[in-house]
Amino acid sequence: GQSLEQPSEVTAVEGAIVQINCTYQTSGFYGLSWYQQHDGGAPTFLSYNALDGLEETGRFSSFLSRSDSYGYLLLQELQMKDSASYFCAVTYMEYGNKLVFGAGTILRVKS
Amino acid sequence: GAVVSQHPSRVICKSGTSVKIECRSLDFQATTMFWYRQFPKQSLMLMATSNEGSKATYEQGVEKDKFLINHASLTLSTLTVTSAHPEDSSFYICSARVETSGYEQYFGPGTRLTVT
Repeated sequence: GQSLEQPSEVTAVEGAIVQINCTYQTSGFYGLSWYQQHDGGAPTFLSYNALDGLEETGRFSSFLSRSDSYGYLLLQELQMKDSASYFCAVTYMEYGNKLVFGAGTILRVKS
Repeated sequence: GAVVSQHPSRVICKSGTSVKIECRSLDFQATTMFWYRQFPKQSLMLMATSNEGSKATYEQGVEKDKFLINHASLTLSTLTVTSAHPEDSSFYICSARVETSGYEQYFGPGTRLTVT
């Protein structure tokens, strides 16, 4: 089966760095993605890892280790607007690039 | 960037009626679109993969006769919730894949369905 686990909630202060972990029990996927979703809004794409290692996109970085079945999203210089839900998701190329999402992590940024 | 729209954004209907939700890719062609359902404070659950010109592929546990999907063109997919019941009340989100992007999906703004 497919299973992705994330912490349910994380709280941090403005300016800090926070890491949201994603562990998975699945195989045969093409890559690990991260999406951000604000309350009532649509998910927006943040980052993608096809290969092991770190991908950096501005304040956000994402990491994947297939040997450890583990990935994380790193958010630096936290801002209040970063308060949202964050989802990791695996992409299965052989099924038309379908995404299977983790349960999501609610990030609360405090001043 | 790639833009996906959904219509309507909110709909309230009575139990037993049917509701159609449209998903459009505005500035690109999408051979594959996806439909998700999201209950409050929960994750997005993939309902089906919609392929232009062919039948949709439904995820396990999703009733294909209740959730009718049609992908008539490269820019439009529709989801019809037939004989809606209160338990069908949810946030329905579509997404589309840009052929050249490989992995990235662009999500519509979602449709909030309330069945009374």
